[in-house]
Amino acid sequence: DGGITQSPKYLFRKEGQNVTLSCEQNLNHDAMYWYRQDPGQGLRLIYYSQIVNDFQKGDIAEGYSVSREKKESFPLTVTSAQKNPTAFYLCASSIVGTYKAEQYFGPGTRLTVT
Amino acid sequence: AQKITQTQPGMFVQEKEAVTLDCTYDTSDPSYGLFWYKQPSSGEMIFLIYQGSYDQQNATEGRYSLNFQKARKSANLVISASQLGDSAMYFCAMREVVFGGATNKLIFGTGTLLAVQP
Repeated sequence: DGGITQSPKYLFRKEGQNVTLSCEQNLNHDAMYWYRQDPGQGLRLIYYSQIVNDFQKGDIAEGYSVSREKKESFPLTVTSAQKNPTAFYLCASSIVGTYKAEQYFGPGTRLTVT
Repeated sequence: AQKITQTQPGMFVQEKEAVTLDCTYDTSDPSYGLFWYKQPSSGEMIFLIYQGSYDQQNATEGRYSLNFQKARKSANLVISASQLGDSAMYFCAMREVVFGGATNKLIFGTGTLLAVQP
């Protein structure tokens, strides 16, 4: 079955620690995205990548970093510089080049930092 | 700047009835795409339906249809014959357009929480 996997589903960290969230897709999509969702809010774009070894900042990139070394993988690191890291993080992927291309989402990772 | 507005934070509907979730958008570009997603309590976002700005007909997918009124810049989602499993958060989104070309970025509204009552 094709899809997007994110692991783990729940993640707990102490303040001051960096943490990496994994995202893998086997849909052969060129584009991948990371979103953050806070309770009762919509999705805000953190980073996105349209091709391997290239990525762009979204609307709230401060305190986050990404890499795209393989087409299938787009890990997100939440650094200690992120002021309020506790949130729900969603990874998505899509084809590129068409208005109609919907984004496919993973199940999300709920990060709690104390 | 492009923007999506969902003015209904929450909605109730009786099982088997139809419900309309509102979405208005703001863009100056004549070419754009609009999406609706469903987010159950599990958290995963599920794509429901797409409407292109040049599509001649309103989009339909099973029990979902889109009431697209271009002049009013609205793209309301209609769910017919509501089921208990329809209880979820619903997001309207628009593909970002930059310098007349679509990017791969989606701009999301704040969502509407739908509760289907038996």
